[in-house]
Amino acid sequence: EDQVTQSPEALRLQEGESSSLNCSYTVSGLRGLFWYRQDPGKGPEFLFTLYSAGEEKEKERLKATLTKKESFLHITAPKPEDSATYLCAVQAGGGKLIFGQGTELSVKP
Amino acid sequence: DTAVSQTPKYLVTQMGNDKSIKCEQNLGHDTMYWYKQDSKKFLKIMFSYNNKELIINETVPNRFSPKSPDKAHLNLHINSLELGDSAVYFCASSPPGLRSGETQYFGPGTRLLVL
Repeated sequence: EDQVTQSPEALRLQEGESSSLNCSYTVSGLRGLFWYRQDPGKGPEFLFTLYSAGEEKEKERLKATLTKKESFLHITAPKPEDSATYLCAVQAGGGKLIFGQGTELSVKP
Repeated sequence: DTAVSQTPKYLVTQMGNDKSIKCEQNLGHDTMYWYKQDSKKFLKIMFSYNNKELIINETVPNRFSPKSPDKAHLNLHINSLELGDSAVYFCASSPPGLRSGETQYFGPGTRLLVL
């Protein structure tokens, strides 16, 4: 069964304290792994798509990497405005996304 | 210039009522989706339409019926609402075709509360 597990469920960081979020997945034939950011009361906002092991993508303080079993979202020197829930999803048959439960990130000044 | 829009944003109703949620996208996408996000923030696919044709229908009660009048709109009608239907419903769309790996763009959500 296709499954996505994210850890930790919650992460508290001090401003400038770098860390990583983990997304472990099992899927029959990975078509794409997606990272989204979700702010309270809003819809998920697209961050990255990764298609094959070894691929990396960066955007400002965020860097996403992919292996055959997991993906990491590295946050370098985070700021309070990076506080949000980060969602990982894999694409399965027919285009549906299977989401993990998310990591709620809080960055304190 | 909103890409994916939903109405209403909030919906409070009594158990047993029938309600509809509307979704529109102006991105020129062919594929649209409905997701449900429960109280634990877990997002789960409900339906998907490609160019007005149903392509994904997860295990969802028959009380939920999607309708796509054209490829820019996907509405969700819910009959005989139950307490357990309370959740946030998100509409999403992705670029033309069913090619793998297409990014899905989400609307702002509709917060449904059934009393």
